[in-house]
Amino acid sequence: QKEVEQNSGPLSVPEGAIASLNCTYSDRGSQSFFWYRQYSGKSPELIMSIYSNGDKEDGRFTAQLNKASQYVSLLIRDSQPSDSATYLCAVNAGGGADGLTFGKGTHLIIQP
Amino acid sequence: DVKVTQSSRYLVKRTGEKVFLECVQDMDHENMFWYRQDPGLGLRLIYFSYDVKMKEKGDIPEGYSVSREKKERFSLILESASTNQTSMYLCSSGWGDTDTQYFGPGTRLTVL
Repeated sequence: QKEVEQNSGPLSVPEGAIASLNCTYSDRGSQSFFWYRQYSGKSPELIMSIYSNGDKEDGRFTAQLNKASQYVSLLIRDSQPSDSATYLCAVNAGGGADGLTFGKGTHLIIQP
Repeated sequence: DVKVTQSSRYLVKRTGEKVFLECVQDMDHENMFWYRQDPGLGLRLIYFSYDVKMKEKGDIPEGYSVSREKKERFSLILESASTNQTSMYLCSSGWGDTDTQYFGPGTRLTVL
């Protein structure tokens, strides 16, 4: 059974600070890792994908992957109130068309 | 821009009715997926398809069926709706080589 674990939160971060979101996964064969943002009542929106160990930066977002520790994280720099949402970590074993396994999400609140 | 559309944002049906949820994507994606999302349970995969007329069961296929007659369209069918199928239904699509998935806006289904 593939599992993806996230702290449900809420994680409260002051505006302008760095928000750090973490995710662990159980399937050591996982190849593809994703972060989605979901506003209340809306569908998930893809923010970042990462496939190899290390850091990947896109604007204010940085995804970090450590396959040895089975750990993936998302850093949001200069947090804005509009970043307040639930962040979903998703993992795929890769190499095929299987669906993603999602964590239950971390609720992030950016305090003005 | 990737566009995934779903036939309805909100739907109310009666117990025992046959329900059709439709999803259309305009990016020529091979893979299409149906998930349901419930509070405390997160996103769970119902069915997916990696080609026209192909379908695979996900983690919770009971009570559902699917149809993919054309590459751009993937339908979820509730043969006889029950109250425990009240949920947010999310369709996604993506290319097979990256595992990336893009979500439609979702359909909030209420079964009375």
